Amino acid sequence: DTGVSQNPRHKITKRGQNVTFRCDPISEHNRLYWYRQTLGQGPEFLTYFQNEAQLEKSRLLSDRFSAERPKGSFSTLEIQRTEQGDSAMYLCASSQDRYGYTFGSGTRLTVV
Amino acid sequence: SQQGEEDPQALSIQEGENATMNCSYKTSINNLQWYRQNSGRGLVHLILIRSNEREKHSGRLRVTLDTSKKSSSLLITASRAADTASYFCATDSLGLPNTGNQFYFGTGTSLTVIP
Repeated sequence: DTGVSQNPRHKITKRGQNVTFRCDPISEHNRLYWYRQTLGQGPEFLTYFQNEAQLEKSRLLSDRFSAERPKGSFSTLEIQRTEQGDSAMYLCASSQDRYGYTFGSGTRLTVV
Repeated sequence: SQQGEEDPQALSIQEGENATMNCSYKTSINNLQWYRQNSGRGLVHLILIRSNEREKHSGRLRVTLDTSKKSSSLLITASRAADTASYFCATDSLGLPNTGNQFYFGTGTSLTVIP
């Protein structure tokens, strides 16, 4: 296991289209997080899973966003009806406890 | 909303010099972490310091925490070109809406180490 894997690395989509990103965490980590990072800013929390349960969601996660973690393994983040403001880097992280996240390399989304 | 704020926003130094970055935050915390991010990549965890600790070392990194001033500093000694990256502090928060399962990141310091 070499770390947290995110796919795709880059995604360009037209406004109004749906997109889905995948995150494969470190296998023994039961905590999984999604963050969003825009240019020049630090990451902002989107949502948190413990095993398969989604325990926290940020107000940033509008109705167009949905995240899942079936069977407590990989996770997907879907954005429906994308808008230009959704353009950002979407980062996934996993951890065994509350400290010391391991981040993936992120998926850079560009909405044109 | 961002809980932390790094200072300076950008820092450029010569290889071999020391680099100091500061982080200020707004509310009481349990712990503070520092992360590094190379351009276009994910973040790498560097060091965690708990609220009852004042200083911590890891290799060429030294972190201090002053809870009375709500600030932390990251010192990188004998910098190398490979240290070029953005550095972020991240805190949990006892004040902002948080159950302890998320961290608030600052806006980052962009460090350039010139060979």
